[in-house]
Amino acid sequence: DGGITQSPKYLFRKEGQNVTLSCEQNLNHDAMYWYRQDPGQGLRLIYYSQIVNDFQKGDIAEGYSVSREKKESFPLTVTSAQKNPTAFYLCASTQQNTEAFFGQGTRLTVV
Amino acid sequence: KQEVTQIPAALSVPEGENLVLNCSFTDSAIYNLQWFRQDPGKGLTSLLLIQSSQREQTSGRLNASLDKSSGRSTLYIAASQPGDSATYLCAVDNYGQNFVFGPGTRLSVLP
Repeated sequence: DGGITQSPKYLFRKEGQNVTLSCEQNLNHDAMYWYRQDPGQGLRLIYYSQIVNDFQKGDIAEGYSVSREKKESFPLTVTSAQKNPTAFYLCASTQQNTEAFFGQGTRLTVV
Repeated sequence: KQEVTQIPAALSVPEGENLVLNCSFTDSAIYNLQWFRQDPGKGLTSLLLIQSSQREQTSGRLNASLDKSSGRSTLYIAASQPGDSATYLCAVDNYGQNFVFGPGTRLSVLP
């Protein structure tokens, strides 16, 4: 079945630690996105990539980094520079002007 | 900058009612508009995609309309059921650059 997979489902980060969230899709989509969702708030764009080896900052990119070495993969690293990383992270993919598909999300908690 | 709003923020209805959720956006230069459903702690599930050249789309008990010139979309749910309880999000595709989301409407359908 085609789809988009995020892992892990839950992730715990210690203060000062970098963590990486995985996002893989087998839909052959060119574009991939990372969003952050906080309780009671809408989705905010962190980074997006429209093609392999290229990506753009979204509205809240500070403290995050991404790579797009393969079409099917778009990992997100939450660095120690992100001061308030506790949130629900959602990855999405789409082909130009078609339906967007989302993963099931990763809930990151700072301990 | 594109802004998306949704009214109402929350809605509680008895089972069987027909209901309308509203979405407004400020910039009519969009590829498409998509309606999503989100269950608590889960990712987003696509419900309907309306291309910018279309006026409406239907899927089962759901009907979505788009008036691009006025920056409005509505999601009509017929004969609501308790299983329809979720948060409903609309998102506009800004010519492939990113999706801008509204804050969502939290729907409760009471048995």
